[in-house]
Amino acid sequence: KQEVTQIPAALSVPEGENLVLNCSFTDSAIYNLQWFRQDPGKGLTSLLLIQSSQREQTSGRLNASLDKSSGRSTLYIAASQPGDSATYLCAYNTNAGKSTFGDGTTLTVKP
Amino acid sequence: KAGVTQTPRYLIKTRGQQVTLSCSPISGHRSVSWYQQTPGQGLQFLFEYFSETQRNKGNFPGRFSGRQFSNSRSEMNVSTLELGDSALYLCASSFGKGLGYTFGSGTRLTVV
Repeated sequence: KQEVTQIPAALSVPEGENLVLNCSFTDSAIYNLQWFRQDPGKGLTSLLLIQSSQREQTSGRLNASLDKSSGRSTLYIAASQPGDSATYLCAYNTNAGKSTFGDGTTLTVKP
Repeated sequence: KAGVTQTPRYLIKTRGQQVTLSCSPISGHRSVSWYQQTPGQGLQFLFEYFSETQRNKGNFPGRFSGRQFSNSRSEMNVSTLELGDSALYLCASSFGKGLGYTFGSGTRLTVV
């Protein structure tokens, strides 16, 4: 059973384009949601953390939103750059402290 | 400040052997979680330790075990290794459940 779904699985865009990555989850007992970036063969780098009581968080060119009632989160990347190429994962944490990850969206930004 | 440190970075083991992986969390972080990442299964939660106690456990066989020491450093052990245990093992630490996780660079385990 897929508890976290990330769409699309892969995305290729030209440099400079704005883009949106989607994350859907089924568990209503969400405590917070976190977006990560992973480069090939490396660990995860935290991008943004949104508490269940918050609607969005911003960091530089990144903006993450959370709609707990519909079970959706989006990661908006403005003015994409080739250095943004990576796999982006979302994960939600429950009140019990359990984390569930999506399979990620692999982003390629072409120069 | 130092991040989450995992050792070793790479490991090659033979089927049937056992292995121990180590994770040193960020100073002050008391929660340490372990994950297995494979191309086919994605990122899967193994277990979480908080103040030396296992607080959560994923759906892995008993061959996978862990512990946490009083200084919050954690070890993960896999006994009787199988080919399917080949994966990137990631450790993450946190101050607490509401404060997000910081990941280490992982240990790449290859079982031959």
